[in-house]
Amino acid sequence: ETGVTQSPTHLIKTRGQQVTLRCSSQSGHNTVSWYQQALGQGPQFIFQYYREEENGRGNFPPRFSGLQFPNYSSELNVNALELDDSALYLCASSVGGNTQYFGPGTRLTVL
Amino acid sequence: GNSVTQMEGPVTLSEEAFLTINCTYTATGYPSLFWYVQYPGEGLQLLLKATKADDKGSNKGFEATYRKETTSFHLEKGSVQVSDSAVYFCALKEGNTGANSKLTFGKGITLSVRP
Repeated sequence: ETGVTQSPTHLIKTRGQQVTLRCSSQSGHNTVSWYQQALGQGPQFIFQYYREEENGRGNFPPRFSGLQFPNYSSELNVNALELDDSALYLCASSVGGNTQYFGPGTRLTVL
Repeated sequence: GNSVTQMEGPVTLSEEAFLTINCTYTATGYPSLFWYVQYPGEGLQLLLKATKADDKGSNKGFEATYRKETTSFHLEKGSVQVSDSAVYFCALKEGNTGANSKLTFGKGITLSVRP
């Protein structure tokens, strides 16, 4: 059984740029949730995708957007990057809204 | 809204010491409760969970009991090892659909175990 994978591992961008992060869900899982973890903090919920549609959103601006594909993999897109977007981005997969299993994360640094 | 409060850290223990990490929560319904662990440079791993009052979750020698009357889910281990050094997060999930299935995390606590 393959676990949750994310790419890239690390990424460095400059303010104003756009970034796309990718997540492959665990085999058999149809739901992907994205979280932002700032340094020294707990993860904060960004949004969730189920059956290729956004299915719940946290307190993040519209420049955070996503996609889910028919194979249940997902992308997180962030436009107009700001310094405060520097964080570890985690995706988690689950069957529906049940127990979530996390990937290793993508470390984004915005300069 | 929902929230999770963890005791202040960091915590430093000697190997084989007893561990307690406190976690209390505020929720409008009857949430499921989780402990996740994060090793340096890695993502979160599910350690244990409990889905209803009085349930005890356990894994790798760690235990936590869902106490509705005190809204708590304290993590315990009888004898810690150096390999338990990590950051521990308590989290809750209110439901299983849409935004209700999001995890709400505490701030985490760093545990360091000395040989």
